[in-house]
Amino acid sequence: GAGVSQTPSNKVTEKGKYVELRCDPISGHTALYWYRQSLGQGPEFLIYFQGTGAADDSGLPNDRFFAVRPEGSVSTLKIQRTERGDSAVYLCASSLNGIPNTQYFGPGTRLTVL
Amino acid sequence: DQQVKQNSPSLSVQEGRISILNCDYTNSMFDYFLWYKKYPAEGPTFLISISSIKDKNEDGRFTVFLNKSAKHLSLHIVPSQPGDSAVYFCAASATSGSRLTFGEGTQLTVNP
Repeated sequence: GAGVSQTPSNKVTEKGKYVELRCDPISGHTALYWYRQSLGQGPEFLIYFQGTGAADDSGLPNDRFFAVRPEGSVSTLKIQRTERGDSAVYLCASSLNGIPNTQYFGPGTRLTVL
Repeated sequence: DQQVKQNSPSLSVQEGRISILNCDYTNSMFDYFLWYKKYPAEGPTFLISISSIKDKNEDGRFTVFLNKSAKHLSLHIVPSQPGDSAVYFCAASATSGSRLTFGEGTQLTVNP
């Protein structure tokens, strides 16, 4: 299994709850990205990590969203006080640090907030 | 503002014919373009890419054309096969940044 993996594949939660979504990137990829895809839309950028640090978090919609990558490999996207509008597929991608920037995606986590 | 646009939500072609998917962009800083294919309940799968220093890149049945002056790119699939039926996303990035900006996607259906 050399690809990007994400867990869980599906998550159903109630409004106001806290959720964590996990991403395991391709081994050796230093760059990791989170995107969110709503129905009928293309993926929208959330945050980008280079190693352990968030190099660009300008896509995070508000301060309820937070992501970490403490050891430069696995990343966790954390959503506090979930709202129904947070329902979407959350996609993780990784890439080698370089040009060109070809990103490889995981299967996604479908989050449903009731 | 939508910096990458795919104006055709759907396209239907016969098996064996050519499929042409189109994409327009507005940001002149974009210098690397990618096409992804997505099946239901799966993540996007990288298909083919092109750098802005080229105007064509070919990989088997897939060819991407880039017209920088028109800020337009297209993906040609020939011959089309039923297994090509999927949603195709165009994406772009700038060397100065790392995020990909995606279009809305085009649902391709290849009929046997």
